[in-house]
Amino acid sequence: KQEVTQIPAALSVPEGENLVLNCSFTDSAIYNLQWFRQDPGKGLTSLLLIQSSQREQTSGRLNASLDKSSGRSTLYIAASQPGDSATYLCASNAGGTSYGKLTFGQGTILTVHP
Amino acid sequence: DAGVIQSPRHEVTEMGQEVTLRCKPISGHNSLFWYRQTMMRGLELLIYFNNNVPIDDSGMPEDRFSAKMPNASFSTLKIQPSEPRDSAVYFCASSISGRASYEQYFGPGTRLTVT
Repeated sequence: KQEVTQIPAALSVPEGENLVLNCSFTDSAIYNLQWFRQDPGKGLTSLLLIQSSQREQTSGRLNASLDKSSGRSTLYIAASQPGDSATYLCASNAGGTSYGKLTFGQGTILTVHP
Repeated sequence: DAGVIQSPRHEVTEMGQEVTLRCKPISGHNSLFWYRQTMMRGLELLIYFNNNVPIDDSGMPEDRFSAKMPNASFSTLKIQPSEPRDSAVYFCASSISGRASYEQYFGPGTRLTVT
């Protein structure tokens, strides 16, 4: 059974800092890995999706990497802003055999203070 | 594209009452997922469908929970009878299975409070 762990559980940084969120998974046979953002009381917004054959994906100030063999993914946020404050969730995707079933980590609560 | 639509957005009910949550997936998507989110357990997959057929309901906590997908554009999650421990946010998500990414798109969720 896939287990996904995110470290740290919470992170507070001053505006402008670069930061890294970590995600690890126990079963390396993933189809892809998704990073989501969740604002308080809101739904999930997909940030980045990395296919199992890829090493990284970039979108603006966000960069996500994937190392399947070690069961790890990182989300790098450059030049953090107060608007980045949210909970960040990673999820492994089981792909075709399970029709894309996602297993989520518990999330990292990020606070960026001015 | 309207995205995944869920209703109601908020539901407050008394213990023992029946609760029905509704979901309309993105048009053209053929897989639908129901999740539950709580502070203690995070996001848990309850059940998912492919082409309107339930594939895996092993995440459904008890027989009090049931889900249906009568057609490609509508699904329900029913709790009967409801209990206070069912209080959570319930999310519906949809995707296109068979495509390269299986990327899931989430609805805004239904916040359920059972008193």
